[in-house]
Amino acid sequence: DTEVTQTPKHLVMGMTNKKSLKCEQHMGHRAMYWYKQKAKKPPELMFVYSYEKLSINESVPSRFSPECPNSSLLNLHLHALQPEDSALYLCASSQVVGVDEQFFGPGTRLTVL
Amino acid sequence: KQEVTQIPAALSVPEGENLVLNCSFTDSAIYNLQWFRQDPGKGLTSLLLIQSSQREQTSGRLNASLDKSSGRSTLYIAASQPGDSATYLCAVGPTLTSGGSYIPTFGRGTSLIVHP
Repeated sequence: DTEVTQTPKHLVMGMTNKKSLKCEQHMGHRAMYWYKQKAKKPPELMFVYSYEKLSINESVPSRFSPECPNSSLLNLHLHALQPEDSALYLCASSQVVGVDEQFFGPGTRLTVL
Repeated sequence: KQEVTQIPAALSVPEGENLVLNCSFTDSAIYNLQWFRQDPGKGLTSLLLIQSSQREQTSGRLNASLDKSSGRSTLYIAASQPGDSATYLCAVGPTLTSGGSYIPTFGRGTSLIVHP
């Protein structure tokens, strides 16, 4: 099974809302990633977890809060977002950080009103 | 700092043509290179992964080559079909960030349209 799942597929939220994105993989991978992708741009790395510990935070605003409850799950908690945060949020996983094949989920399309 | 460039940015071809998509990178000290396909509004699908010690990888109608010394990779698509229409991205890994972490660097992609 080489599948990464993400929920929800679409999310619309106001600037005062709190919501969460969820990602799951059952490939036994120990690295999980959150990316943000704007239209016609490549994915931008936000966070990386390695063995359930945050190893890379690419200077992301605190209104985005990642969580890795266990080796299969990755959450992204959203609070007080801005309209410019509207984007496709992608989760990915790999065996270990940085050097292995990455597998991506289908993404969550986020719209902030 | 690693920079990855993909040429052309967009390509429109008739069905049946053989295609070459290009990916170039500035720092040849890479561990691997991965080619992805992305349909509009969807996630990335891994097509091929080439390790730095390899010269090429093949999967069906796809063939990817890697020339580390010249900083280039090509993705060859044989006998293109309308279903191949998508954006193709290459990612070079890993790159050492200013924070001391290793992450892949993505190109901006080539948008491919294959018309019947």
